[in-house]
Amino acid sequence: SQTIHQWPATLVQPVGSPLSLECTVEGTSNPNLYWYRQAAGRGLQLLFYSVGIGQISSEVPQNLSASRPQDRQFILSSKKLLLSDSGFYLCAWSVPGANNSPLHFGNGTRLTVT
Amino acid sequence: GDSVTQMEGPVTLSEEAFLTINCTYTATGYPSLFWYVQYPGEGLQLLLKATKADDKGSNKGFEATYRKETTSFHLEKGSVQVSDSAVYFCALSGVDSSYKLIFGSGTRLLVRP
Repeated sequence: SQTIHQWPATLVQPVGSPLSLECTVEGTSNPNLYWYRQAAGRGLQLLFYSVGIGQISSEVPQNLSASRPQDRQFILSSKKLLLSDSGFYLCAWSVPGANNSPLHFGNGTRLTVT
Repeated sequence: GDSVTQMEGPVTLSEEAFLTINCTYTATGYPSLFWYVQYPGEGLQLLLKATKADDKGSNKGFEATYRKETTSFHLEKGSVQVSDSAVYFCALSGVDSSYKLIFGSGTRLLVRP
């Protein structure tokens, strides 16, 4: 069966520090991968998605970036965090090539920028 | 562009009450529709889905019917439990190659004993 892992679960970082959040998927090949952010009390905002290694699409311009160095690994990064980067970050995967395929989410990383 | 509109919460109900959470959508083409649930401190879990008009998705006592004529996908449950307290998200799938999901803003449900 497929599983998705995100870490860390929680993170407190000072403004201006770098960020690296990691997500890995097991049990499937060439998944579509996604990074969403959920600000406090708000809905989900799609940040990045990837349909293959090295292929990253950005939905919202900001100081975050994403990379996919391996088929089932998706990394969210920042060189310098802002206070507004605080939120709940969710990684997800879906089966490629099927437009009714649901997203499967990890347990999320709660980031607090102080 | 495609979008999803959900009723604002919080929705507060007593145990065993009937639940309706409204969801309407705007989309080109024929999207698939989903309901996700998020329990406190966790990621989102797929609750149910429907892939074409008049389909009814159901799971754990929850139901939603894909209504193309009213562009709606309202979530219902006949008798809620305290354990149903969570945030519920309606979503639709785009039809481009990335198969992104577009989410509504979420509706918080609080069920009191």
